Amino acid sequence: QSALTQPPSASGSPGQSVTISCTGTSSDVDVGAYSYVSWYQQHPGKAPKLMIYEVTKRPSGVPDRFSGSKSGNTASLTVSGLQAEDEADYYCSSYACGNHCYVFGTGTKVTVL
Amino acid sequence: QVQLQESGPGLVKPSETLSLTCTLSGGSISRFYWSWIRQPPGKGLEWIGHIQYSGTTDYNPSLKGRVTISIDTSKNQFSLRLSSLTAADTAVYYCARGPTYLYPNAFDIWGLGTMVTVSS
Repeated sequence: QSALTQPPSASGSPGQSVTISCTGTSSDVDVGAYSYVSWYQQHPGKAPKLMIYEVTKRPSGVPDRFSGSKSGNTASLTVSGLQAEDEADYYCSSYACGNHCYVFGTGTKVTVL
Repeated sequence: QVQLQESGPGLVKPSETLSLTCTLSGGSISRFYWSWIRQPPGKGLEWIGHIQYSGTTDYNPSLKGRVTISIDTSKNQFSLRLSSLTAADTAVYYCARGPTYLYPNAFDIWGLGTMVTVSS
């Protein structure tokens, strides 16, 4: 079961925007076929936190600076108006393999310069 | 406030079986799906499997045959058993709520995680 592919790192200055991609290319991880991509933020030594679900939706309490989108087989997370506390690892996840299982992305470390 | 707490041994020997328990507080386990997810040191997340309150399970195909997830609704707990351990199973193990109808195919509440080291 292949992981979703994310860039290892991304960075931006405070106030700028950063976009992270998440691509599923194998037949059992078809990001394009599902609207079930979610995104998680993880600070060092902490548990992941749900930031986006169903590609574009934000749980209550998540700032609207965080937005999700999808085009074809690639989902994206955009963080606008970068703040110091946004510096963290980000993981995408997708429903996969057609038999009710899930796969995570390889993870992207976001650095606020 | 719904909270999850993992418990279990921090050190397990190779070839043995790991047993972890996740205890839910502030809510009922008799709803939704409940998942186990792990993260090797310095690496990414891996979904292990989940159980529905009714007892229905699904597992990561790469771990199938070694993993069993069970639920005890009377104790508001669900558990993970992972057999034939190797050093590659060393990881932080998280329990999480999801998927749910509130957040379809996502994991919205996580435990703090428990570090498990496989070593003789």
